[in-house]
Amino acid sequence: TQLLEQSPQFLSIQEGENLTVYCNSSSVFSSLQWYRQEPGEGPVLLVTVVTGGEVKKLKRLTFQFGDARKDSSLHITAAQPGDTGLYLCAVPGETSYDKVIFGPGTSLSVIP
Amino acid sequence: DTGVSQNPRHKITKRGQNVTFRCDPISEHNRLYWYRQTLGQGPEFLTYFQNEAQLEKSRLLSDRFSAERPKGSFSTLEIQRTEQGDSAMYLCASSSPARQGAGYGYTFGSGTRLTVV
Repeated sequence: TQLLEQSPQFLSIQEGENLTVYCNSSSVFSSLQWYRQEPGEGPVLLVTVVTGGEVKKLKRLTFQFGDARKDSSLHITAAQPGDTGLYLCAVPGETSYDKVIFGPGTSLSVIP
Repeated sequence: DTGVSQNPRHKITKRGQNVTFRCDPISEHNRLYWYRQTLGQGPEFLTYFQNEAQLEKSRLLSDRFSAERPKGSFSTLEIQRTEQGDSAMYLCASSSPARQGAGYGYTFGSGTRLTVV
């Protein structure tokens, strides 16, 4: 059983469209991170959210942490081809806060 | 800050051979992590070091896998008697407690892509 579920698994959209991807769990987390990974590269941290209901914006990306701190969403406005990549959510490990556990990711393709 | 460096970027090996990967973390980061990522999946935790001490190993890390960080700087990950199921991207990341506490997360390298034929 995966600690984190991400949906959709794959998403292909046209440039300029809006989209939302989700990260869900039955567990409560002290914090949650979103990473983006481009093909052939390592993940790059986008944001960390720590407070239930928290909303953070990074240019065209809006991140929200659920009120109960069990889930999160990432909304992209006016997607661009440069947004293409694998979007991963990650949380502290259950047995050790020193490590991070990743979800399976949402693979986003933005078509010009 | 020159980033996390991993070598080689790609490795093709025959089943049964041993392989070794190297990771050079950001110099001021005392924590170093190894993850494995297969196609279409998120990275899976393998092990991590604080300075030279290996503090945790995943059950994914079978007896054929060994990691070292002898001087608390670079780290190596060795896989003995490789199997086709070992084919994956092996990612290294570094961090520090202060950075993690502040929510900065990990800095990942570009990974080593292993193909076992």
